[in-house]
Amino acid sequence: DADVTQTPRNRITKTGKRIMLECSQTKGHDRMYWYRQDPGLGLQLIYYSFDVKDINKGEISDGYSVSRQAQAKFSLSLESAIPNQTALYFCATSDPRTGEVGNQPQHFGDGTRLSIL
Amino acid sequence: EDQVTQSPEALRLQEGESSSLNCSYTVSGLRGLFWYRQDPGKGPEFLFTLYSAGEEKEKERLKATLTKKESFLHITAPKPEDSATYLCAVRTNSGNTPLVFGKGTRLSVIA
Repeated sequence: DADVTQTPRNRITKTGKRIMLECSQTKGHDRMYWYRQDPGLGLQLIYYSFDVKDINKGEISDGYSVSRQAQAKFSLSLESAIPNQTALYFCATSDPRTGEVGNQPQHFGDGTRLSIL
Repeated sequence: EDQVTQSPEALRLQEGESSSLNCSYTVSGLRGLFWYRQDPGKGPEFLFTLYSAGEEKEKERLKATLTKKESFLHITAPKPEDSATYLCAVRTNSGNTPLVFGKGTRLSVIA
């Protein structure tokens, strides 16, 4: 079983719909992240959470919201989807107890491909 | 503004033809540089972390090196299974973004 699981893997929806993407992890990591990836562009950070009570905006948070329901679960919502939010979305985790302080590698899920018509 | 630039955008090699991928960065203060591999339809897979200039790390046919301005990912005698997109990311001393990613280099190794 994958350590970082994203659901759904693929989603097609219409403009204006509310969408939730879910991420769950079995790695026991405190830190979780949401990114989007567009063709020809690097990964862009949407939101991140260092623990259940800590939520932070990333580079491109407008139009998105998140919920950290538990240490293992971090959901991303698009309140009213628009076509330019069509992208590949990745969830990632990291463990602050490993590696040099502040330099822990992130571990990614296999992504959700979202298409908004 | 912190920036990460990877070159080339795409690279096509014959099996066994060694080469290097480049990641140059302009940041206020580097805390760490990360290399990832991404296969089609998959999430990025962590390869290496480099912390200071002069540091090197190796894994099978891959070796990553770091200077004060750039990092190289050297691929020795590549095989078709090394075909993937290789991503570089940096962690800096400033800003609120935990990692800044480059756009990646798409590597194709032909048998």
